[in-house]
This record gives sequence, structure tokens and C-alpha cells, in this order.
Amino acid sequence: NAGVTQTPKFQVLKTGQSMTLQCAQDMNHNSMYWYRQDPGMGLRLIYYSASEGTTDKGEVPNGYNVSRLNKREFSLRLESAAPSQTSVYFCASMGSYEQYFGPGTRLTVT
Amino acid sequence: AQSVTQLGSHVSVSEGALVLLRCNYSSSVPPYLFWYVQYPNQGLQLLLKYTSAATLVKGINGFEAEFKKSETSFHLTKPSAHMSDAAEYFCAVSWLYSSASKIIFGSGTRLSIRP
Repeated sequence: NAGVTQTPKFQVLKTGQSMTLQCAQDMNHNSMYWYRQDPGMGLRLIYYSASEGTTDKGEVPNGYNVSRLNKREFSLRLESAAPSQTSVYFCASMGSYEQYFGPGTRLTVT
Repeated sequence: AQSVTQLGSHVSVSEGALVLLRCNYSSSVPPYLFWYVQYPNQGLQLLLKYTSAATLVKGINGFEAEFKKSETSFHLTKPSAHMSDAAEYFCAVSWLYSSASKIIFGSGTRLSIRP
């Protein structure tokens, strides 16, 4: 099992550009999550999906959109990137109250 | 509202010394509690979890944590630090919300080990 995979690993965007971060899990989990990690702030929840076809806002949803394409895949889209969105993004899925994390995407917006 | 507070953003101990990382939580319902570890440039890995069974929880790499309801604490300990323990550690609290569990993370504690 690959667990949770994320692409890309690194990305540099200019202000105003758009991009989609991809996430997939092969553990048959219903719940999936997107977090951002910034120094000294821990992980903050952007969006989550309780099951295929449903999504809900987390703590910091502004500037992001998500799509739960199917049970395996949960993508995060930045429509118009801003420097404040420079961060490390983690996708996670949950089973038995334990979250499994992907390796992260390091995004820089200039 | 549920929250997690980790005391000390940076803790430094000598190799072989006791490791103690502090975590206090606030929850209006019985919580599930977790400690995660993050090595440089990697994702988070679960160390241990408390889900209302035994209050003393043993995890991987010799770590353990004790749930103390009266103190609303879930401190992480390891009797003897090893150089490989240097990493960032996150305490987290979870509860069942709607149809999905949500987890709130503390701000993290960076553990350094002195030779």
C-alpha cells in the first residue's frame, strides 16, 4: 500500500497563478483532509471531506477550493495564488480515529 | 471550544536524559488524544493515541503518554533520549463532529538532543 500520496512535491507560483494539488489514498478511508503548515502555527485545517461527494470548510478556507473526485482522491485548488499562501500543504485520510499523512507539497508564491 | 496547548516551542535535552513534552487540551466532550512526530521534510507520523481505554498509552520508539482528566493533560515522555528523537512533536485532540472526525493540532514542540 502506498498510503497517502501527494503531487507535486514542490511548486513555485507567481502571484495570481492557479494550480491544483493532488492527493490520493489507497486505504479505503471515507474522510480526507487538507492542512497547511506554517512555522510556529502547527497544522491548520483548510477543508475536509467526510465522504465522497461532501466537503466542508475548516479553519482557513479562504482562497482555496476542493473537489472530492471519488473515494480515493481529494484535490485542493488555488484559483489566484497569493504570497500569503506560501506554505507546506499536507493531505491526510482518517481511519479508526487515526490520521495518515502524505509527504507534503512545499509551495512558494512569489 | 476544543483547543490544544503545547507548552514550550523548543525543548533541548541531553542524550540519555528524560524527555517531557507538555500538552494540555480543552474539550467539552470526551476527547481522543494523539501525539504525532514530524522529521525534517516529512509528513506526520502517529506516535501514540488515547481513545478512552487505558490512561497510560505506550507508543513507538519508547514514548508513552498519560491521560489525566483532572489536569486536562496528555504529556509525552521518554525515559532516555536518543539522538534520533530530534524532531518536531505535535499534540492533537479529536472528537466526532457531524459525520467526520476532526483533529485540532497544537503548535508543535521542536525537540533537540545534545550529545
